[in-house]
Amino acid sequence: DTGVSQDPRHKITKRGQNVTFRCDPISEHNRLYWYRQTLGQGPEFLTYFQNEAQLEKSRLLSDRFSAERPKGSFSTLEIQRTEQGDSAMYLCASSLGRVGEKLFFGSGTQLSVL
Amino acid sequence: AQSVTQPDIHITVSEGASLELRCNYSYGATPYLFWYVQSPGQGLQLLLKYFSGDTLVQGIKGFEAEFKRSQSSFNLRKPSVHWSDAAEYFCAVGAGYGNKLVFGAGTILRVKS
Repeated sequence: DTGVSQDPRHKITKRGQNVTFRCDPISEHNRLYWYRQTLGQGPEFLTYFQNEAQLEKSRLLSDRFSAERPKGSFSTLEIQRTEQGDSAMYLCASSLGRVGEKLFFGSGTQLSVL
Repeated sequence: AQSVTQPDIHITVSEGASLELRCNYSYGATPYLFWYVQSPGQGLQLLLKYFSGDTLVQGIKGFEAEFKRSQSSFNLRKPSVHWSDAAEYFCAVGAGYGNKLVFGAGTILRVKS
């Protein structure tokens, strides 16, 4: 399978704990995006990388959130001191980065904060 | 700022009937427009996109969409719906240099037999 992979599929944590998600994009894709989706809403943009450089962050990405893509391949999204409001589906997507290019999405990580 | 409105939260159609899902966008420049479908437990799958040129775009699974600049719309259509089309459908506009997508809230399609 050469699609976008996300791990884990599900994560249950207690409020105040730190969590980390991983995304493996399609290998030749140089752009990687993180989105968050809550029930009844469409995905909301969080941040994106061009290779290893993080080029844009949404205002939704508070200082408790950090994302990295250290070698321009896989990416991690860490949430520190989780809150119940962080419960959502976290989606990763990748693309070749050409203008108008479509995004390929992973199946997401469902986070539940108790 | 860019935005997408999908006025219908839920739509129910009979199998074999035609379908139209509405999408309106707000974007200052020429938009790149997309329709994605999401089934439970699945990632978002691209149905079709409008980049430029012909305003009637054909996609996978028998879907098509028409870009109407004067109405700021990009409605999705299918002439005959199958039970397997039941899913949630998202319209999105490509925004900014980074090609990030701004999504609508989605329309849940139910198909009754």
